[in-house]
Amino acid sequence: GQNIDQPTEMTATEGAIVQINCTYQTSGFNGLFWYQQHAGEAPTFLSYNVLDGLEEKGRFSSFLSRSKGYSYLLLKELQMKDSASYLCAVMDSNYQLIWGAGTKLIIKP
Amino acid sequence: ETGVTQTPRHLVMGMTNKKSLKCEQHLGHNAMYWYKQSAKKPLELMFVYSLEERVENNSVPSRFSPECPNSSHLFLHLHTLQPEDSALYLCASSQELKDRTDTQYFGPGTRLTVL
Repeated sequence: GQNIDQPTEMTATEGAIVQINCTYQTSGFNGLFWYQQHAGEAPTFLSYNVLDGLEEKGRFSSFLSRSKGYSYLLLKELQMKDSASYLCAVMDSNYQLIWGAGTKLIIKP
Repeated sequence: ETGVTQTPRHLVMGMTNKKSLKCEQHLGHNAMYWYKQSAKKPLELMFVYSLEERVENNSVPSRFSPECPNSSHLFLHLHTLQPEDSALYLCASSQELKDRTDTQYFGPGTRLTVL
């Protein structure tokens, strides 16, 4: 079966750095997506990785290792507004997105 | 504002009611999706439309009936639902269905409660 694993909840301090991990087992691979979802709002696109390595976009970076079936989302200089759920999703060989259950990130002052 | 709107934002219905959820995208996309999001569970893909043709139906009970009259509008008709159908229903759109770089844009969802 296809599976995406990510931690259920994480807590971090304002101004710090946090890494949210995602491991996957899917039928084929056509890229990995990270989305951010604030409570009661729409998921919004953060990043897309299809090649190994690190993609940096401001305070957020996303890393992919296809051989390990592993990705992480790195958030730097955390702000209170970063409190949200972070969803990892992999596009399989049928171009269907397989979703993780999301990681709820709590930022404390 | 993602360019995808959903109405209503909240809906409470009894098990014998019939209601419809509406989604509209203003992005000129060709593909639209219905997802179910339950607490602490992955997003579940329910239906996929490409250019108004249904291309996927992931074993969804017949009490959920989708309709896509044009590429900008998507409906989910609800009939004789069960309490376990209570969830957040998300609509999304993307430019093309089978483009691996394709990003899906989501609406804010309809929070459905079935009594």
